[in-house]
Amino acid sequence: RKEVEQDPGPFNVPEGATVAFNCTYSNSASQSFFWYRQDCRKEPKLLMSVYSSGNEDGRFTAQLNRASQYISLLIRDSKLSDSATYLCVVGEGTYKYIFGTGTRLKVLA
Amino acid sequence: DAGITQSPRYKITETGRQVTLMCHQTWSHSYMFWYRQDLGHGLRLIYYSAAADITDKGEVPDGYVVSRSKTENFPLTLESATRSQTSVYFCASSKAGGGYNEQFFGPGTRLTVL
Repeated sequence: RKEVEQDPGPFNVPEGATVAFNCTYSNSASQSFFWYRQDCRKEPKLLMSVYSSGNEDGRFTAQLNRASQYISLLIRDSKLSDSATYLCVVGEGTYKYIFGTGTRLKVLA
Repeated sequence: DAGITQSPRYKITETGRQVTLMCHQTWSHSYMFWYRQDLGHGLRLIYYSAAADITDKGEVPDGYVVSRSKTENFPLTLESATRSQTSVYFCASSKAGGGYNEQFFGPGTRLTVL
């Protein structure tokens, strides 16, 4: 089983739709959780950290479920500019960050 | 401009040649990292550094060497490039360790080994 697993997609959704991604992780001792966005051929950029209480930033909401070992990202009112690959990242220990292979989102006009 | 930069952005080299990829950050972040990204894999850690003169291996260190004589610079050297090292290389930094801190990435170096 991979340490961090994501559905590769692509998720094709119309503008204005709500879309949700999940990411599962295998190490129950994992300490921190992040969602990054990566545009084609560019560097990953931090979208949001994921806290135990969940967090929201505008149209984006992230949740953590430690019991089931997954994190989720919800995007409301999708925009064309949201088209990208979303990377789930799990932090363990002093330096170790485990990256998922990403979920591709395509928002269609 | 403040941030994290990488050079060169693109590099084509031949098998057996030595190549050095540069990474520079202006935030005075303690931790710096080198990753490679290949299709079908998440980013994989090559080496990391907790501070100047402190470096350690990551998941895929074979064939690579790093140094960190100054906080702001973290060069990655491929001692004798192989075709399997064709990849996109990202440098990243974070304020501190502990796995809690966000990482910030440079723009990447796209390396092709012929």
